Amino acid sequence: NAGVTQTPKFRILKIGQSMTLQCTQDMNHNYMYWYRQDPGMGLKLIYYSVGAGITDKGEVPNGYNVSRSTTEDFPLRLELAAPSQTSVYFCASSYSTMTGAGGYTFGSGTRLTVV
Amino acid sequence: RKEVEQDPGPFNVPEGATVAFNCTYSNSASQSFFWYRQDCRKEPKLLMSVYSSGNEDGRFTAQLNRASQYISLLIRDSKLSDSATYLCVVNTRNNDMRFGAGTRLTVKP
Repeated sequence: NAGVTQTPKFRILKIGQSMTLQCTQDMNHNYMYWYRQDPGMGLKLIYYSVGAGITDKGEVPNGYNVSRSTTEDFPLRLELAAPSQTSVYFCASSYSTMTGAGGYTFGSGTRLTVV
Repeated sequence: RKEVEQDPGPFNVPEGATVAFNCTYSNSASQSFFWYRQDCRKEPKLLMSVYSSGNEDGRFTAQLNRASQYISLLIRDSKLSDSATYLCVVNTRNNDMRFGAGTRLTVKP
């Protein structure tokens, strides 16, 4: 049981380049999320999805785009990379949002550096 | 004011010690509360949910005080393996979990 799988684990981008961070889950969770974690800061929600075909902005969506064509996949796209997007990106999924049991399952993260 | 604030770290304690972390949240309408553990350069993992009546899981006890808007985590008989960053997480509304910056714990022999 793989849980949440993120690729790549590491990436260095040049300013202005674009890339897609991949996220796949095999738990049949409807809810999926993208967070970024900067040093000394809490995780910030970028985008989330409550099911295939439905996405919505989180706290810090600028500079990112997402799609949810299937229940399993929730890729995050950076169109014009900027140094401010240097961060660790975590994808997560959950069975339910308002729950006292289960919480989130996170992927292992993607460390992105924009130079 | 940050939505979720945690004790500043780091906490350095000897093995066997009891240590407590506090976390305050600003949104009185918050519904769900959690403690996550994050090891260095790893993803966060759910440690335990926090219930209104308080709850215990082995050496870990979580408490919620809605009137004062804070939650706490107590770790008894600390182990070396408890060394990690502990994240306080508050669900302010559907699909919006807010994370604290974390409190770093180091347990020393």
